[in-house]
Amino acid sequence: TQLLEQSPQFLSIQEGENLTVYCNSSSVFSSLQWYRQEPGEGPVLLVTVVTGGEVKKLKRLTFQFGDARKDSSLHITAAQPGDTGLYLCAVFGSSNTGKLIFGQGTTLQVKP
Amino acid sequence: DAGVIQSPRHEVTEMGQEVTLRCKPISGHNSLFWYRQTMMRGLELLIYFNNNVPIDDSGMPEDRFSAKMPNASFSTLKIQPSEPRDSAVYFCASSTLTGYTEAFFGQGTRLTVV
Repeated sequence: TQLLEQSPQFLSIQEGENLTVYCNSSSVFSSLQWYRQEPGEGPVLLVTVVTGGEVKKLKRLTFQFGDARKDSSLHITAAQPGDTGLYLCAVFGSSNTGKLIFGQGTTLQVKP
Repeated sequence: DAGVIQSPRHEVTEMGQEVTLRCKPISGHNSLFWYRQTMMRGLELLIYFNNNVPIDDSGMPEDRFSAKMPNASFSTLKIQPSEPRDSAVYFCASSTLTGYTEAFFGQGTRLTVV
């Protein structure tokens, strides 16, 4: 059983469309992170959310942390081919020791 | 800073051979993580160190896998003997221990065991 469940696993859309991907868990977390990974590279941090209900925006990307701090969503407005990649959510299993655990990710393909 | 440096970038080896993957974390970072990534299982945490001490190795799949961090600037992940099912991309990442910290990843080592 995965600690973090991401959906959908794969998403293929046309340039200009909007999309939302999800990261869910039955556990409560003090914070949650989103990373993006491009082919041949390691994941790179996009954002950290720490407060229940928090919304953060990064250009066309909007991140929300659930009120109960068990889930999160990532919404992309007017997707572009440059948004193509693997989107991963991650949590620290224990805030004192720093064990960082990832979901399996959502692979996004944006076609021109 | 050059970021997290992993070597080699690619490794092809025969089943039964010993494989050693290397990682140099970012200077000043005191946490180091080893991950394995496959299509089937995603990004799995194998082991992580705080201040050069292994904290949790519950993700290490078998006794064939071992990891060391002899000092703050170097870590190795060894597989002996290697098997075809070990084929994957292995990532090393480092971070600080303070606050809601960011993990910085290396470019990974693509291991193929034939």
